This record gives sequence, C-alpha cells and structure tokens, in this order.
Amino acid sequence: KAGVTQTPRYLIKTRGQQVTLSCSPISGHRSVSWYQQTPGQGLQFLFEYFSETQRNKGNFPGRFSGRQFSNSRSEMNVSTLELGDSALYLCASSPTQTGELFFGEGSRLTVL
Amino acid sequence: AQSVTQPDIHITVSEGASLELRCNYSYGATPYLFWYVQSPGQGLQLLLKYFSGDTLVQGIKGFEAEFKRSQSSFNLRKPSVHWSDAAEYFCAVGETMIKAAGNKLTFGGGTRVLVKP
Repeated sequence: KAGVTQTPRYLIKTRGQQVTLSCSPISGHRSVSWYQQTPGQGLQFLFEYFSETQRNKGNFPGRFSGRQFSNSRSEMNVSTLELGDSALYLCASSPTQTGELFFGEGSRLTVL
Repeated sequence: AQSVTQPDIHITVSEGASLELRCNYSYGATPYLFWYVQSPGQGLQLLLKYFSGDTLVQGIKGFEAEFKRSQSSFNLRKPSVHWSDAAEYFCAVGETMIKAAGNKLTFGGGTRVLVKP
C-alpha cells in the first residue's frame, strides 16, 4: 500500500507570495491532517479534514487554509507569506479518529 | 488546554544500553497517548499508542511505554538500543473529551537521541 505522498518536497518563496501544498493520503483513509514543524514552535496542528469538511482547526491565522477533495486528497494554502512561515509542513492521514496518524515526508517551505 | 512536556531535549546513550524517555502531559481526562519517531529528513512514524486498559503497551522496534495516571506520565523505554534508534522522539496526546477531535494531536517538544558506538 502506498504511503502518504506530499508534493512538492522543497520549495522557496518570497514574502508576500502564496503557496499551495498537496497531500495524497493512504488509500481508504478519509481523514487528512496538516501540521507545521519549526525549530522554535515544534509540531503544531493546523487543521484536519474528513469527507471534504474541515473537522478541526488549530490556532493559525486565516492566511492558512485547506481543502479536501472527494478522493480524499488534500491541499493547504498559505497566502501572503511571512518569513515565519518557513517550516516543514507535514500531512498525515488516518483511518480512525483516535490519533493513529500516518505521516508523509513533508514539504519544506523556505520564505525569503 | 492540554500540554505535553518532554523534559530531556537531548539524550546520549551507548549502543546496547537501555533507554528511557520521559513524557508528562496535562489534560482534563485520560487522553489518547502516543509516541512517534522522526528520523532526519523524514516524517513521523507511530511507535505505540495507549487508549485504555493495560498500562504497559508494546510497540514496534522493541519499544514499550508505561502509562501512570497518578503521575500523568507516559514514559518510553527500550532495553537495548541499536544505532538505528538514533532519531527524534515525540510524545503526543489526542483529545478524548471533544467528539471527533482525536486526530488533533498536541505534541511535546521532542527528545533527540544520539547513540554512541
């Protein structure tokens, strides 16, 4: 069974730009979550989607948004990028609602 | 709000020696409890989980963890460390008091494990 696939793996943007990251979950997993990982703040929950609906949301500004498609693939978007948005963005899928997450390798975003 | 504390930022252990990583949490009830491991440049992998029942849980790669309600702790142990265990380890809690929020995990700051030959 293929794992969670995230694209792109690396990207560089400049302040003010926007970025879209993509995540393909494990087949059959309907829950997709996104986490931000930085050296200073650690791993922080962004949001979770289930059956195309945002089910949970973390404490991030409205510049961070996401969506999920009918095939469970998910995208997250960050608008008006700031230097502090530089991070590893991790996507995780799950077959349950009990925290058993399967993570992708992440998309590393650098904002210059 | 829930929180997770991993007191040790770095731990160095000799290959073949035992390893114990500490985790304390704050939550209004018994949460879902997890240990995840992250190797350099990789995503996170689930090592083990505790939902209820037996307080000593076994995971992959020879790891085990013990839930102690009285101490709000969920420490991870391995009897004999291998060089391939060098990685960063994260303790996490999942919400049990809010419906359908179990996948909203709160992670500790992580403990980086170095293995000496």
